[in-house]
Amino acid sequence: AQSVAQPEDQVNVAEGNPLTVKCTYSVSGNPYLFWYVQYPNRGLQFLLKYITGDNLVKGSYGFEAEFNKSQTSFHLKKPSALVSDSALYFCAVRDERTDKLIFGTGTRLQVFP
Amino acid sequence: DSGVTQTPKHLITATGQRVTLRCSPRSGDLSVYWYQQSLDQGLQFLIQYYNGEERAKGNILERFSAQQFPDLHSELNLSSLELGDSALYFCASSGLAGDRGGELFFGEGSRLTVL
Repeated sequence: AQSVAQPEDQVNVAEGNPLTVKCTYSVSGNPYLFWYVQYPNRGLQFLLKYITGDNLVKGSYGFEAEFNKSQTSFHLKKPSALVSDSALYFCAVRDERTDKLIFGTGTRLQVFP
Repeated sequence: DSGVTQTPKHLITATGQRVTLRCSPRSGDLSVYWYQQSLDQGLQFLIQYYNGEERAKGNILERFSAQQFPDLHSELNLSSLELGDSALYFCASSGLAGDRGGELFFGEGSRLTVL
């Protein structure tokens, strides 16, 4: 069965510093990986995805993610964090049998001024 | 704006009652997914419909049911409500079945509070 794991419940970073939110995956075939962000009392917003090709994927709001097949990871990164990046971040994998997204437990990112 | 519309945004009801949540997918999207987000369970997949037919089922309780209508909007029916059903219910939509590379577009959610 496919799954993703987000090992950190919360990540704290100072504004202007680089940030990383970790995600590891487990799939039997080719992974289709996604990152979403959820702001308070809002729905999930799509940030970026990895389907195939370049291991470094660029997305919305200056975020990028690095796909690493040998480490089965898909970490979300941003070179310089903003206070407004503070939100809940979800990693997800597309199910191989159906089209549903299987989500990780989420990581709360807190960026301090 | 994702293009997915959910109503109502907030709903407060009592135990034992029944409610209906409504979702209008993005224009042209054939797939509708329902997810439940609660504090202790994270984002749980409930059910998916594609062009009116049930395509996948997750951890959906027997007290819950859903359907997708010919105009592609979907409704999630929750009955015999319990306190533990209090949660944020999300609807998402996507295009073609089998397009695993396509992202899902989420609505703003319906927050259900059962008292």
